[in-house]
Amino acid sequence: GEDVEQSLFLSVREGDSSVINCTYTDSSSTYLYWYKQEPGAGLQLLTYIFSNMDMKQDQRLTVLLNKKDKHLSLRIADTQTGDSAIYFCADMLTFGGGTRLMVKP
Amino acid sequence: DAGITQSPRHKVTETGTPVTLRCHQTENHRYMYWYRQDPGHGLRLIHYSYGVKDTDKGEVSDGYSVSRSKTEDFLLTLESATSSQTSVYFCAMAGSTDTQYFGPGTRLTVL
Repeated sequence: GEDVEQSLFLSVREGDSSVINCTYTDSSSTYLYWYKQEPGAGLQLLTYIFSNMDMKQDQRLTVLLNKKDKHLSLRIADTQTGDSAIYFCADMLTFGGGTRLMVKP
Repeated sequence: DAGITQSPRHKVTETGTPVTLRCHQTENHRYMYWYRQDPGHGLRLIHYSYGVKDTDKGEVSDGYSVSRSKTEDFLLTLESATSSQTSVYFCAMAGSTDTQYFGPGTRLTVL
């Protein structure tokens, strides 16, 4: 079946850039998504990219999509302590296991 | 997101008892989903609905049933709860696009 995989953990210093990576197997998805989950909360849609795009930029967020390698990444510029959370990539119905981002002051 | 709510938010129950979780949306969205979230597994789809009385199984549907008698409500039932069903349950909704919006979650503990 479909599979979405992410690294478990990323630690960065405040002000640095964060890059969270994701690989997927189902190439039929129309959109690919990034969600943010803060402690004790539900998932919040952060951004998404249409499958025929290579890149999407939204303020501090940049999403890169490499369809050939089935690789999706989320770059957060000027990472802040408020960005500390778990980030999930997903296609329509399949979610990765989440990457816990820790931002050190 | 205020457009989608879940109840209860927390529940503790005993093995063998039936449990029903409710998801309620006010956006008139066609699609609704139930997921469970467990450490190391991310979110896994239990059941989903593509309209009133139209439901289908997801990846981990065993031990769960759902009902959707109205557009706004999607119920998840554990007929006889087991300890392996201790989890955080999220429902989600989606309109004409694929984008899903999630409820705040229900933490269920089965003793």
